[in-house]
Amino acid sequence: GQNIDQPTEMTATEGAIVQINCTYQTSGFNGLFWYQQHAGEAPTFLSYNVLDGLEEKGRFSSFLSRSKGYSYLLLKELQMKDSASYLCAVRVKDSNYQLIWGAGTKLIIKP
Amino acid sequence: DTAVSQTPKYLVTQMGNDKSIKCEQNLGHDTMYWYKQDSKKFLKIMFSYNNKELIINETVPNRFSPKSPDKAHLNLHINSLELGDSAVYFCASSPGLADPSYEQYFGPGTRLTVT
Repeated sequence: GQNIDQPTEMTATEGAIVQINCTYQTSGFNGLFWYQQHAGEAPTFLSYNVLDGLEEKGRFSSFLSRSKGYSYLLLKELQMKDSASYLCAVRVKDSNYQLIWGAGTKLIIKP
Repeated sequence: DTAVSQTPKYLVTQMGNDKSIKCEQNLGHDTMYWYKQDSKKFLKIMFSYNNKELIINETVPNRFSPKSPDKAHLNLHINSLELGDSAVYFCASSPGLADPSYEQYFGPGTRLTVT
């Protein structure tokens, strides 16, 4: 079956760095996405990885290892507005390229 | 301009009623989706249309029926509502299926409460 695991909740301090991990077991891997979702709002796109390695986008970076079925999202210089849920999603070829979603990691930023 | 819009934003109704949620995107995208997000925050795909053709139809009760009158619209009709249908329903769109890097753009969500 298709499965994506993320920690349920993490806490970090303003100004610090946090790494949110995602492990997946899926068939027909076709890319991995990270989305941010603030409470009561819609998910918004953060990053996309399809090849192994690190993709950097300002304060946010995302890493992928396809052989290990592993990704992480790295958030630097944390701000209070980064308090949100972070959703990992894997695109699978076998099911018309649908996204399989993790349950999300709720990140709490403390001053 | 709103990219993906949904109406209504909130919907409170009684068990057994029939209701519809509407979705429109003005991005010129080919592919549209309906997701259900339950209290545990899992986003679960329900349906997907590509160029008005149904391509994903997950295990969803047949009380749920999508309809895509054109590429810019994807509506969701729900018959005989049940308590377990209470959730947030998100509409989303993406440019198409050809490029795997295509992200999905989400509407603001419709919070459905069945009493």
